[in-house]
Order: sequence, then C-alpha cells, then structure tokens
Amino acid sequence: AQKVTQAQTEISVVEKEDVTLDCVYETRDTTYYLFWYKQPPSGELVFLIRRNSFDEQNEISGRYSWNFQKSTSSFNFTITASQVVDSAVYFCALSENFGNTPLVFGKGTRLSVIA
Amino acid sequence: DGGITQSPKYLFRKEGQNVTLSCEQNLNHDAMYWYRQDPGQGLRLIYYSQIVNDFQKGDIAEGYSVSREKKESFPLTVTSAQKNPTAFYLCASSWQGLDTEAFFGQGTRLTVV
Repeated sequence: AQKVTQAQTEISVVEKEDVTLDCVYETRDTTYYLFWYKQPPSGELVFLIRRNSFDEQNEISGRYSWNFQKSTSSFNFTITASQVVDSAVYFCALSENFGNTPLVFGKGTRLSVIA
Repeated sequence: DGGITQSPKYLFRKEGQNVTLSCEQNLNHDAMYWYRQDPGQGLRLIYYSQIVNDFQKGDIAEGYSVSREKKESFPLTVTSAQKNPTAFYLCASSWQGLDTEAFFGQGTRLTVV
C-alpha cells in the first residue's frame, strides 16, 4: 500500500534561515508521481512541484529546491533564506499509475517563519 | 477565470441533518475528488470520480454520498450517518494522464452544532 510520511509536525525558524522539510514515501508501483503543496491560512492548497519516478534530477525554483532520492524513498523540500510569507502547512503527496490514482497525502508540516 | 469553486465557505449543521457541499469546476477536468482535513491528520480521500456518472469510494467514505451527473459538478452530501462530520472539506479536480496535478478549491468548513 502507498504511504507518505512527514515526520516533522511543526518547524519554527527565524527569517532568512534555511529550512528543509522531509518527506518519505512507500509504494510498490514503479510509475509514480510525487508532489508538494502549500496550504496558507486561507485553506486552499497551492501546487508547488511535481516529479515523476523516472526523473531523479533535483530542481530549483527561486528560493525553493527539491531533492528526490529513490534509494532512500525521499523527496525533501528546502526553502533558502526563509521569509514570513513562507509560513504555511506543507504537504507531500504521492500518486501511482503515472499519476492517475488519487493523491495520498502525508500529515503535513506546519512551518512558522518568525521575523 | 478558470478554477474550482466550493460553496459555502462555512456551514453549520444540526445533529441528524444531511447537508450538501457544492463543488464546481470550469477547467474541463475529467477527474474530481473530495478530501477531508482534520487537525494533524492531513488530507484523507472520501470519494473520487474519473468520469461522469461514475465514482469510487476513498478511504473514509462511510457516512458520505456523492453524485457526478455533470462533468463540472461533484457535490458531496454529509449524511446523518457520519458520526463526526466537523472538519474542513476540500474538493479538487485534475486531468487524467501524464504530467498533471490536482487543483484545489478554497474549502468548506463544516461544524456540527
């Protein structure tokens, strides 16, 4: 069965610090997709990134970067030089069968960035 | 503008009553989903539909019902059989196929009073 684990329930950092959010997944499928979503206080989930199981290249988008390692079944998310606007709940999610099954979410990590 | 609209934003229900949460999308997506969010629990799948007139149970379907009569609409009914309905409900939609992601509505917060 598929499973996503986000072991960090809450993290607090001071503005401009770097922070890494961990995500570990389990699946027997070989054609899966991994995702990160951000949930600000308004409640709507905002898509951040999608990565398929065949592409282990790390990705950088501005202050955000993602490290995908199949050997450890991890898909970690790093925010560099954090800002107060980064404060939110972040979810890691998994979809099997080339991304055609419903998302399975981790329990989320609440990030608080303090000015 | 294209997107997913959930209504109402806040909903109060008396015990024993059924209530229906609305979800409409104008993105022409094939698939639609309902998730429930409780504090510290992440998002759990209630029901999903990959095509009109068809839907599948998720992990926590008991006490809920859905319909998919139109591609754009996927309403969720919380029945009196749902023992603990107070939660935040999120609707999502997506295309089927490669390299797609789900888009989410702004959610409905349901409170039993």
